[in-house]
Amino acid sequence: DIVMTQSPDSLAVSLGERATINCKSSQTVLYSSNNKNYLAWYQQKPGQPPKVLIYWASTRESGVPDRFSGSGSGTDFTLTISSLQAEDVAVYYCQQYHTSPFTFGPGTKVDIK
Amino acid sequence: EVQLLESGGGLVQPGGSLRLSCAASGFTFSDYAMSWVRQAPGKGLEWVSAISGSGGATYFADSVKGRFTISRDNSKSTLYLQMNSLRAEDTAVYFCARDSRGTCNSPNDYWGQGTLVTVSS
Repeated sequence: DIVMTQSPDSLAVSLGERATINCKSSQTVLYSSNNKNYLAWYQQKPGQPPKVLIYWASTRESGVPDRFSGSGSGTDFTLTISSLQAEDVAVYYCQQYHTSPFTFGPGTKVDIK
Repeated sequence: EVQLLESGGGLVQPGGSLRLSCAASGFTFSDYAMSWVRQAPGKGLEWVSAISGSGGATYFADSVKGRFTISRDNSKSTLYLQMNSLRAEDTAVYFCARDSRGTCNSPNDYWGQGTLVTVSS
């Protein structure tokens, strides 16, 4: 199975500042045949289901603010919130959908400093 | 508008069985793979199972393989999760989610609100 790890476990950032979350997979999630990274980022607020933010590692879902961006390839990925807003307080998960089981990372909790 | 509505959760004794349903609307159900993802109280997300749009391919987490079965009725736009030999560690909110394509290796773009399964004597 592909194991997903995230760092840090939690972080507190001042409003308007940058937040960076890292995700690492134990095996590559890049398909060489189509050069796509099978990696998504989700945001989950308390009492709500997850919401997809980014897929194919760097494609922003429709309606997601452009302060959210994804980068990386192969086994190392990053989610960046360029200017943290109050509504961004949530837990963020990465997930690989390259190989079953389609595992999630343990999550990173983002709070306001 | 895409809607996913889970049902069937509840309290069940260890070793018991439960069947979850997910009624879908607002899209052509057979065009999309579907997944189940669970979340134990206060814990992170755990992918459980997925099924292709046609129902011809199914996938399971190691933790539920051999105990859970996923199926779909495309004529009723409904997804199912049959859970047998339930254990305390299966206690969680179970989310139904739509995959963004007909094949299972795709992100989940719509989610239901979840249904709580509690396994306890």
